[in-house]
Amino acid sequence: AQKVTQAQTEISVVEKEDVTLDCVYETRDTTYYLFWYKQPPSGELVFLIRRNSFDEQNEISGRYSWNFQKSTSSFNFTITASQVVDSAVYFCALRTNFGNEKLTFGTGTRLTIIP
Amino acid sequence: GAGVSQTPSNKVTEKGKYVELRCDPISGHTALYWYRQSLGQGPEFLIYFQGTGAADDSGLPNDRFFAVRPEGSVSTLKIQRTERGDSAVYLCASSSPGTGGEEQFFGPGTRLTVL
Repeated sequence: AQKVTQAQTEISVVEKEDVTLDCVYETRDTTYYLFWYKQPPSGELVFLIRRNSFDEQNEISGRYSWNFQKSTSSFNFTITASQVVDSAVYFCALRTNFGNEKLTFGTGTRLTIIP
Repeated sequence: GAGVSQTPSNKVTEKGKYVELRCDPISGHTALYWYRQSLGQGPEFLIYFQGTGAADDSGLPNDRFFAVRPEGSVSTLKIQRTERGDSAVYLCASSSPGTGGEEQFFGPGTRLTVL
């Protein structure tokens, strides 16, 4: 069975602070993909990043960075110098690669950036 | 280019009625997915189409739910004898053909309210 845990239900930080969103996953498969999606107040899920299980390199995209650690089954997401526009619900998701195409989502973390 | 579109954006119905929700995927995307998102939760997988056929319908909660994709493009999710517990946002996503792990692009969703 697959499972994604986002233990932080809600986080509030003051604008320009850095914030890290945690994601822990469970799977018995050796090949899998991890995703982060952003869901702003408008409701539409926006794809942020995909990482496969064989690539543990951290990635940086502007103010966003992701830390993938197989040893702890974690795929954490950091926003540097947060902005009000970052306020949204963020979802971590898992997909395995053995004929099952579905995404298994965590329950999400609601991030509020206080101006 | 055009993203995934879903109609209607909102649907209010009475308990026991039949509803149809439509999804128009991104042109050229062979894979199509339906998810359901309840308040405060992450999306939950319902069904996955590869072309015209349902490759995985393991997430459909019961036989009141059915989905079709007759020409491999537009899909319709059908719910019979609706119940109040069916109230949720129904999300559709599509992805392009590939070797696996392609990101899924989501539509804006249909908010279903069963009174």
